[in-house]
Amino acid sequence: GDSVTQMEGPVTLSEEAFLTINCTYTATGYPSLFWYVQYPGEGLQLLLKATKADDKGSNKGFEATYRKETTSFHLEKGSVQVSDSAVYFCALPDRGSTLGRLYFGRGTQLTVWP
Amino acid sequence: GAGVSQSPSNKVTEKGKDVELRCDPISGHTALYWYRQRLGQGLEFLIYFQGNSAPDKSGLPSDRFSAERTGESVSTLTIQRTQQEDSAVYLCASSYTSGANVLTFGAGSRLTVL
Repeated sequence: GDSVTQMEGPVTLSEEAFLTINCTYTATGYPSLFWYVQYPGEGLQLLLKATKADDKGSNKGFEATYRKETTSFHLEKGSVQVSDSAVYFCALPDRGSTLGRLYFGRGTQLTVWP
Repeated sequence: GAGVSQSPSNKVTEKGKDVELRCDPISGHTALYWYRQRLGQGLEFLIYFQGNSAPDKSGLPSDRFSAERTGESVSTLTIQRTQQEDSAVYLCASSYTSGANVLTFGAGSRLTVL
């Protein structure tokens, strides 16, 4: 079945460092892809998405490009901040009967030090 | 309300007891989802509501788990005769329509079964 695989965490960076969190997917066809973020004490929230191959999603300085050749949707940010410390989840939708159901990766804990 | 509200935020119970977890979705959101996140694992889908009906209960792990939703609003997830492996964070999410794929999550209910 469809699934996503995320790089294992945790990731620890200094402020202004470059961030990459890897995500690869397994799916038939080209589903939409999502990154969700969970800040401490809060619920998951959508960070960015891409709905078709070669699309780039971006938000809050984060970017991810939907690459069908490598079945990847890696999350990147050029210069992280302490406030980016959170857990990041890659996800893709169930294309069966349950619309809106998402398959999530295990999550990657990011800690940014000043 | 402004966001998805879940209660209790933390629950510690003894093995064999029943627990109820509550989710109050965003007003007007017709679709509601329950997920579970066990330590070190990704989010597991449990059940989906469209309005008051539950077309997909496929993720409920056993018959000890049940959920209901009344009035296209509040949902309750009930776990009977809790076991230690039920310890997890239970997350509720809602969306305006089931096809939106953009879910708004609550902060979760952390359940610890001793």
